[in-house]
Amino acid sequence: DTAVSQTPKYLVTQMGNDKSIKCEQNLGHDTMYWYKQDSKKFLKIMFSYNNKELIINETVPNRFSPKSPDKAHLNLHINSLELGDSAVYFCASSPNQRGNQPQHFGDGTRLSIL
Amino acid sequence: SQKIEQNSEALNIQEGKTATLTCNYTNYSPAYLQWYRQDPGRGPVFLLLIRENEKEKRKERLKVTFDTTLKQSLFHITASQPADSATYLCALDPSTGNQFYFGTGTSLTVIP
Repeated sequence: DTAVSQTPKYLVTQMGNDKSIKCEQNLGHDTMYWYKQDSKKFLKIMFSYNNKELIINETVPNRFSPKSPDKAHLNLHINSLELGDSAVYFCASSPNQRGNQPQHFGDGTRLSIL
Repeated sequence: SQKIEQNSEALNIQEGKTATLTCNYTNYSPAYLQWYRQDPGRGPVFLLLIRENEKEKRKERLKVTFDTTLKQSLFHITASQPADSATYLCALDPSTGNQFYFGTGTSLTVIP
C-alpha cells in the first residue's frame, strides 16, 4: 500500500490555466506538507497543515491555495499558472509537526507549463 | 541570511570506499537534523535522524555526526556500492517554528 500518494504524476498545461494536485496519506499522521523542488533539485517548503489547520505558509503567491478536507488529505490548487511554476511538487506527511519525526514523501507531481 | 549548504553538487567515488557528505548551516540552532536519500523520479526517503545532544548515530553502513559548534553534520557511507548512487539531502528543524529546511543536496555516484 502506498503511504503518501499524489495525483496526477505528470501535469502539462498552458500558462494562465488553473489546476489542482491531490495528496492522500494512509499513515494516520497529523501533519502534511507541500514542497516545491526546482530544476536545481532544491526542495523548499510551501505549506504545512496540522490536523487540517494551516500552520506554515512560506511566502507563497496567493495563486497557490492549499485545502485540507480531513487530516489524511491535502490538496493544492494553483490559479493562473505561470512559467515559473514549472517544478516538481511533493506532498509529505509526518506524525506531528516536531522536527524529531521523519517525513514521508510522495513521488511528486511534475508540472510543466507551456 | 539563513542557509543550509551541502558539499559539491556531485561526488564520485570508487566502489568499496567511504563516501563522506557534508551539511553546513548558518544562523540556525537546530534541535534535530535529518538525512534523506532521493532517487531520480522519486520522493526523498528518510534515512537517519540525529539530535543536538548526540555526537554520532549509526545504521548499518551509514553514520551521521553532528557538531553544533562547527554547525556541521557529516554523513558517511562505508563500503559504498553502486546501489548507493543517489542524491542525499540534509534537513533541519530550526527550532524557531514548525518547519523543515532542506539543504541543496549532493548527488553521489559510486563507480564500480
